Amino acid sequence: RKEVEQDPGPFNVPEGATVAFNCTYSNSASQSFFWYRQDCRKEPKLLMSVYSSGNEDGRFTAQLNRASQYISLLIRDSKLSDSATYLCVVLGGTMNTGFQKLVFGTGTRLLVSP
Amino acid sequence: DGGITQSPKYLFRKEGQNVTLSCEQNLNHDAMYWYRQDPGQGLRLIYYSQIVNDFQKGDIAEGYSVSREKKESFPLTVTSAQKNPTAFYLCASSIQNYNEQFFGPGTRLTVL
Repeated sequence: RKEVEQDPGPFNVPEGATVAFNCTYSNSASQSFFWYRQDCRKEPKLLMSVYSSGNEDGRFTAQLNRASQYISLLIRDSKLSDSATYLCVVLGGTMNTGFQKLVFGTGTRLLVSP
Repeated sequence: DGGITQSPKYLFRKEGQNVTLSCEQNLNHDAMYWYRQDPGQGLRLIYYSQIVNDFQKGDIAEGYSVSREKKESFPLTVTSAQKNPTAFYLCASSIQNYNEQFFGPGTRLTVL
């Protein structure tokens, strides 16, 4: 089982639609969770951290369900500019040194059309 | 402007050559990281450094080397021992290990 799993998509939605992505993680000891956005052939950019109580930033809402070990991202009123790949990222893979690394999902591709 | 810079943006290398990828940050971050990204795969950790003059191997360190002589700089050398070096290389930094990471624009390396 992969440490972080995402549906690769693509999710094709019209402008103005609401779309949701889920991501599951295998390490129950994971402590921090993030959503990053990556445009084609560009670097990942932090979209938002995910807090236990859930959090919202404008049109974006992130939720964490520790019992079921999944996190979600909801995008309301989709814009053309939201077209990108969304990476689910979990802090919790522990190296031999005790260092905790970020574990990246392979991403979910979103295409918003006019 | 504060941020992370990587150079070059594109790099072509012949088999058997070593190349060095530059990564500089002026965010005053202690921790720095190198990842590679291949199509259809998540980012994989090559090396990390939690503090200047210290660095550790990540999951796929074979064929790579790094140095961390200055807080702002974390160059990566791709050696001829790396069997499949063609990839998108991303450098990142964070205040400390447990914080969110910020990425440079990446270097796309192609071995001819």
